Amino acid sequence: GAGVSQSPSNKVTEKGKDVELRCDPISGHTALYWYRQSLGQGLEFLIYFQGNSAPDKSGLPSDRFSAERTGGSVSTLTIQRTQQEDSAVYLCASSRGLVSSYEQYFGPGTRLTVT
Amino acid sequence: AQSVSQHNHHVILSEAASLELGCNYSYGGTVNLFWYVQYPGQHLQLLLKYFSGDPLVKGIKGFEAEFIKSKFSFNLRKPSVQWSDTAEYFCAVNPYSSASKIIFGSGTRLSIRP
Repeated sequence: GAGVSQSPSNKVTEKGKDVELRCDPISGHTALYWYRQSLGQGLEFLIYFQGNSAPDKSGLPSDRFSAERTGGSVSTLTIQRTQQEDSAVYLCASSRGLVSSYEQYFGPGTRLTVT
Repeated sequence: AQSVSQHNHHVILSEAASLELGCNYSYGGTVNLFWYVQYPGQHLQLLLKYFSGDPLVKGIKGFEAEFIKSKFSFNLRKPSVQWSDTAEYFCAVNPYSSASKIIFGSGTRLSIRP
């Protein structure tokens, strides 16, 4: 079946502009994660959605970052007033449930470049 | 703060050499442990995981890892690497107390000379 998909694959934006990144999880997966991978760094947890529960937003680096998940499926990560330090690969992953019990499946990522 | 350390940033080996990639974490409680791999141009994927039981776990493609609780380590090993093992390898920790989070290391890039 289809895996996790993300769009766009690449995004170049000017400093100060807003961007939206999209994630389509695997059908039936209730858990969805967003991570950020900066050059030479590991994956940094951003936000976690599980079913209808309130999301865990503890990893969002600033209030310029927000995410939503509509209908328990597609998720959008929005970065407002982008800064150069936001340049990174943004990865989405989904799983059947908590990562402590179920394997995460990652998407290909969106490479964001802020000029 | 909870962290995962991968001290080798880039490892270069010849084919058939043995591999050991180090991973240490700083968390005192019970944890689940993972190794993920990202082959060139591909998605990040799970290589192996440790939840409980035998501390020596075997994963795909001949990889294994050993959990040593006293050393807070979860090193990845392979007796004989192949050119196709060229990839980036990430160690990750999921604390029991934070079931939804995985903390990743910064990754080790493995280059295999044919």
